[in-house]
Amino acid sequence: AQRVTQPEKLLSVFKGAPVELKCNYSYSGSPELFWYVQYSRQRLQLLLRHISRESIKGFTADLNKGETSFHLKKPFAQEEDSAMYYCAGGADGLTFGKGTHLIIQP
Amino acid sequence: DVKVTQSSRYLVKRTGEKVFLECVQDMDHENMFWYRQDPGLGLRLIYFSYDVKMKEKGDIPEGYSVSREKKERFSLILESASTNQTSMYLCASSFPQASTQYFGPGTRLTVL
Repeated sequence: AQRVTQPEKLLSVFKGAPVELKCNYSYSGSPELFWYVQYSRQRLQLLLRHISRESIKGFTADLNKGETSFHLKKPFAQEEDSAMYYCAGGADGLTFGKGTHLIIQP
Repeated sequence: DVKVTQSSRYLVKRTGEKVFLECVQDMDHENMFWYRQDPGLGLRLIYFSYDVKMKEKGDIPEGYSVSREKKERFSLILESASTNQTSMYLCASSFPQASTQYFGPGTRLTVL
């Protein structure tokens, strides 16, 4: 069974500090992996997906098959990054992690 | 721009009532999904559908059923609502095979 694990429920960092949100997955086969974000009072939306290898809002995520990880990183956090972040992956349907609440302190 | 809409933002029902949650998408997506979102539990898949009149159970289908009579519409049905079904319900749609899912705004259901 596919599984996506986000070990941190809550992560608090200061503005300007680096951010890393952890995600580990377990499946057989090649996973498709995503990061979704939900800002306060907004709908859940795609942040980035591993196959596009792009940087969105300064965030990047690299698939590490050896460590089965897909951590989300940003070198300098901004206050507007405060949100719930979900890692997701799968083949026919997505499995979501439990989410990490990121708080950026001024 | 993809649009996924849900019939209600907030809904309050009584225990034992039959509840319908409607979801409509305008992007001709084959796949549609229903999740519930609970603090500390993330998103859990209830049911999904990859074609009209087709449905597949997700991780927590008990107490729920679904209907997909038209490609653009996917309904979630609570046959007899219970208090443990109080939650935020999210609908999503996508093209096939784990393509990006687009989410609706959610329906916050309270069962008293």
